[in-house]
Amino acid sequence: GAGVSQSPSNKVTEKGKDVELRCDPISGHTALYWYRQRLGQGLEFLIYFQGNSAPDKSGLPSDRFSAERTGESVSTLTIQRTQQEDSAVYLCASSKWDGGYTFGSGTRLTVV
Amino acid sequence: AQSVAQPEDQVNVAEGNPLTVKCTYSVSGNPYLFWYVQYPNRGLQFLLKYITGDNLVKGSYGFEAEFNKSQTSFHLKKPSALVSDSALYFCAVRDALLGGNNRKLIWGLGTSLAVNP
Repeated sequence: GAGVSQSPSNKVTEKGKDVELRCDPISGHTALYWYRQRLGQGLEFLIYFQGNSAPDKSGLPSDRFSAERTGESVSTLTIQRTQQEDSAVYLCASSKWDGGYTFGSGTRLTVV
Repeated sequence: AQSVAQPEDQVNVAEGNPLTVKCTYSVSGNPYLFWYVQYPNRGLQFLLKYITGDNLVKGSYGFEAEFNKSQTSFHLKKPSALVSDSALYFCAVRDALLGGNNRKLIWGLGTSLAVNP
């Protein structure tokens, strides 16, 4: 597609429920990144997929967080047993070789 | 190790005055440098990048940045600020020599720019 697409744009969930966030990157972008951004804060790196290489999971905050990517296409970020501190905007980005990212509009997750 | 610093949490400037948002970096090899902007309640948008070539890079919305290798800086500038430029600005860097899982960008913490009418 023309840009990075994320869905849903907003998600309100009850504490303890699982959520799944979706990212559809730009076609041909081999790299895909997930970040978390709390209100007024910077970007917190979560996970990075590059082609067929093993993903860099070093930013995942706990084992409740996981992500998958099918080839060089769609990625899903799953948060199990959500907690209130998981509330944030989850941003996805994709890039080509030069590392310049194109970001999606994000998913605003609210855990109540 | 790669790192990037944005030494100012907030920059205030009057409309019509020039603005500068500072960024310094540290990489082992040659840097790829980027500026992104985030308007309130919006996603991050690419402003400009330095990969190679001219040290002065021109980007979107009248912004420019100057790559200074000796000072390891990549400050963002605009000759005349607009109220609509008020946003959060992020600098990012990666080492051009690194590949694989080291290719991800290293991000600054962001600088909040407030342009006063």
